[in-house]
Amino acid sequence: DTEVTQTPKHLVMGMTNKKSLKCEQHMGHRAMYWYKQKAKKPPELMFVYSYEKLSINESVPSRFSPECPNSSLLNLHLHALQPEDSALYLCASSLIPTGVTEAFFGQGTRLTVV
Amino acid sequence: AQKVTQAQTEISVVEKEDVTLDCVYETRDTTYYLFWYKQPPSGELVFLIRRNSFDEQNEISGRYSWNFQKSTSSFNFTITASQVVDSAVYFCALSGRRYGNNRLAFGKGNQVVVIP
Repeated sequence: DTEVTQTPKHLVMGMTNKKSLKCEQHMGHRAMYWYKQKAKKPPELMFVYSYEKLSINESVPSRFSPECPNSSLLNLHLHALQPEDSALYLCASSLIPTGVTEAFFGQGTRLTVV
Repeated sequence: AQKVTQAQTEISVVEKEDVTLDCVYETRDTTYYLFWYKQPPSGELVFLIRRNSFDEQNEISGRYSWNFQKSTSSFNFTITASQVVDSAVYFCALSGRRYGNNRLAFGKGNQVVVIP
């Protein structure tokens, strides 16, 4: 099973809403990632969790709040987003938190902020 | 700093033609890792290959082949006898210690359009 599952696949939210994106993997991977991807651009790293601890925050605004409840789950809590936050949000995982092993990506959540 | 350059933004080919995607990288690391990912319209990035800097063997997997040349800092990808299902964006990426082992430096991607 080399699957990373993300829910929901699509999300439309208002600027005052609070929502959460969810990501799950059952490959025993110990690193999990959130990426943001705008149209026709490469993915941009947002957060990295290594062994369930936040190890990298790429200066992401506090309206994005990650959470790693256990080694299989990763959440991204959203609050007071702006229209420019509309993008594809990708979750990924890798066996160990180094660049040695490849990352497996989910299908993403297409987020629209209105 | 680490940098990946994919110069061709969009490439159109007729089905059954071969297509080669160029990837040129820059790094000061002596040990680094190169990757290719495919992103179809559905959005998921699909892992295709990982290559270590100390392994310069070329690789073939079905219709896909990769040519790694450290002397020119290139890791090119060829699709032989292209099919419509190959239409996607292809990203070359690099990781290494100086950039932070958890970080992937992505190229801008190659949009491949296979015309039936």
